[in-house]
Amino acid sequence: DQQVKQNSPSLSVQEGRISILNCDYTNSMFDYFLWYKKYPAEGPTFLISISSIKDKNEDGRFTVFLNKSAKHLSLHIVPSQPGDSAVYFCAASAITGANNLFFGTGTRLTVIP
Amino acid sequence: DAGVIQSPRHEVTEMGQEVTLRCKPISGHNSLFWYRQTMMRGLELLIYFNNNVPIDDSGMPEDRFSAKMPNASFSTLKIQPSEPRDSAVYFCASSLIQGARTEAFFGQGTRLTVV
Repeated sequence: DQQVKQNSPSLSVQEGRISILNCDYTNSMFDYFLWYKKYPAEGPTFLISISSIKDKNEDGRFTVFLNKSAKHLSLHIVPSQPGDSAVYFCAASAITGANNLFFGTGTRLTVIP
Repeated sequence: DAGVIQSPRHEVTEMGQEVTLRCKPISGHNSLFWYRQTMMRGLELLIYFNNNVPIDDSGMPEDRFSAKMPNASFSTLKIQPSEPRDSAVYFCASSLIQGARTEAFFGQGTRLTVV
């Protein structure tokens, strides 16, 4: 059973515009959330994270928003650049789960020049 | 630091053969994860070690899969016998868990093809 869901397998955005990637989770025990970026033939690399005590975390062009009541988080990339084209994975963990990371199925972002 | 190192990068084997994937975690990290990436399920956690001890292997799909971590700097994932449906990219990741949360660092993966 998929505890972390990314319902959009792909997203295309024009360069300079905002990219919004969405993620939903079902396990209310999750309290730490991460986004990873993956290029072809490479392993996922950490991008940004957020603890459940916050509702927003920002790092340069990347901002993650957390809505605990809706069990939803999103990643905003502003402005989008062609180099951002990659597969983005949402991940979550629970302190009671010994820090196992549960991943979604990923969203392929294409930024069009 | 060289990061998480996996070998081989690519493996092609015939159905029924034994396959062993290898991982060297980042030095000093105390947790190691094996993941499998498929189109349908994304990144699935197969097994998780903490301080070389298997903590959760509920993601291991069948008894054909086994994993070991004989010391802090080496882990293996073995499939015996292998089947075509095992074809996927297998990732190893490591992290340092010390109270505060931290991210896991991934290797470049092993692309396994079973024919």
